[in-house]
Amino acid sequence: QVQLQESGPGLVKPSGTLSLTCAVSGGSISSNNWWSWVRQPPGKGLEWIGEIYHSGSTNYNPSLKSRVTISIDRSKNQFSLKLSSVTAADTAVYYCVRDDPRPTWGQGTRVTVSS
Amino acid sequence: EIVLTQSPGTLSLSPGERATLSCRASQSVSSTYLAWYQQKPGQAPRLLIYAASSRATGIPDRFSGSGSGTDFTLTISRLEPEDFAVYYCQQFGSSPWTFGQGTKVEIK
Repeated sequence: QVQLQESGPGLVKPSGTLSLTCAVSGGSISSNNWWSWVRQPPGKGLEWIGEIYHSGSTNYNPSLKSRVTISIDRSKNQFSLKLSSVTAADTAVYYCVRDDPRPTWGQGTRVTVSS
Repeated sequence: EIVLTQSPGTLSLSPGERATLSCRASQSVSSTYLAWYQQKPGQAPRLLIYAASSRATGIPDRFSGSGSGTDFTLTISRLEPEDFAVYYCQQFGSSPWTFGQGTKVEIK
């Protein structure tokens, strides 16, 4: 079955850019699915960041749209998240998700924004 | 944006009791894209129910989902010790995806 694994730096400086990658295994990123990023600040609920289709089409949460870029690399079977101008409020566990009537989630990666 | 409101915020019950969790949407949600998750501290959300009423792989039959339109329910027929956790509903049929704020099921 499809598995997702997030990776990237666990610490990002304020005003910097958070960059994460989600590696997809057990299936093709070019399948008929959208691929999303979701985050969860410490002690808080879940927030959808945005999604991408293998064609490169994207949808973003309006609350983050000005700072978010999601891209896809079909040759590596992975997709990526970039979040710019980060602050402490962007400290969270970040999850990648395969959009499907039966969603598949990665295990998440913790990112802390601190100097 | 579709707002999902979960109630109650906290449910205090004893093992063996029945738990009924509500998720109400601000506008109609496609049942195909309504899911329920369980989350324990330090863990990723675990998919319990998808398409409003289908149990995910490996989920015990004491968990069931129902509802349509704007009102959805997750029922745990008899609480086991491992069921005490936070539960979230999610809709992903209309962008932006949204989640409920969560219901904490705690031991009474």
